[in-house]
Amino acid sequence: RKEVEQDPGPFNVPEGATVAFNCTYSNSASQSFFWYRQDCRKEPKLLMSVYSSGNEDGRFTAQLNRASQYISLLIRDSKLSDSATYLCVVMAGRGSTLGRLYFGRGTQLTVWP
Amino acid sequence: DARVTQTPRHKVTEMGQEVTMRCQPILGHNTVFWYRQTMMQGLELLAYFRNRAPLDDSGMPKDRFSAEMPDATLATLKIQPSEPRDSAVYFCASGLGVAMNSPLHFGNGTRLTVT
Repeated sequence: RKEVEQDPGPFNVPEGATVAFNCTYSNSASQSFFWYRQDCRKEPKLLMSVYSSGNEDGRFTAQLNRASQYISLLIRDSKLSDSATYLCVVMAGRGSTLGRLYFGRGTQLTVWP
Repeated sequence: DARVTQTPRHKVTEMGQEVTMRCQPILGHNTVFWYRQTMMQGLELLAYFRNRAPLDDSGMPKDRFSAEMPDATLATLKIQPSEPRDSAVYFCASGLGVAMNSPLHFGNGTRLTVT
């Protein structure tokens, strides 16, 4: 089983739509969680960290459910510029893999006018 | 804005040749990662250093790949001999490590084509 699983999509939504991405992780000792964004032919860039209580950054809301080992990202009022691949990232929390980051395969989003 | 710097940006080489990719992590970062990305496999971890010591290189083909950190400002990834299946984008990333609960910052990547 992969450390991090994501629905690959693609998600195709109109401008202004709300879209949600989900991600599950297998290691219950994971300690840190992030969403990254990757544009075509570019490097991954941090979108936001995910905190236990959930957190919001403008139109983006991240949620963490440790009991279910589940992370989500909600994008409200989608813009054309949100078109990208969104990567779910989990940091291992103990043992020989402490500090190692595991990336999901990414969810592709296309926002159309 | 501090950035991770990777060189070269692009590399085209023939099968059998040696390839060396370089990375300058962000000053003060103590963890360095090398990832390879292809359409088929996504991001694969090749090697991981903390305080210049290699912690995990289990994702790296040992017979042809090697990763080193000669000093805190330079990480290298070498392929010898290169093969067409090594064609991919190679990313270096650096971070502040577990204690700071810090995300990684990626370089622009080296796009490698082996013919």
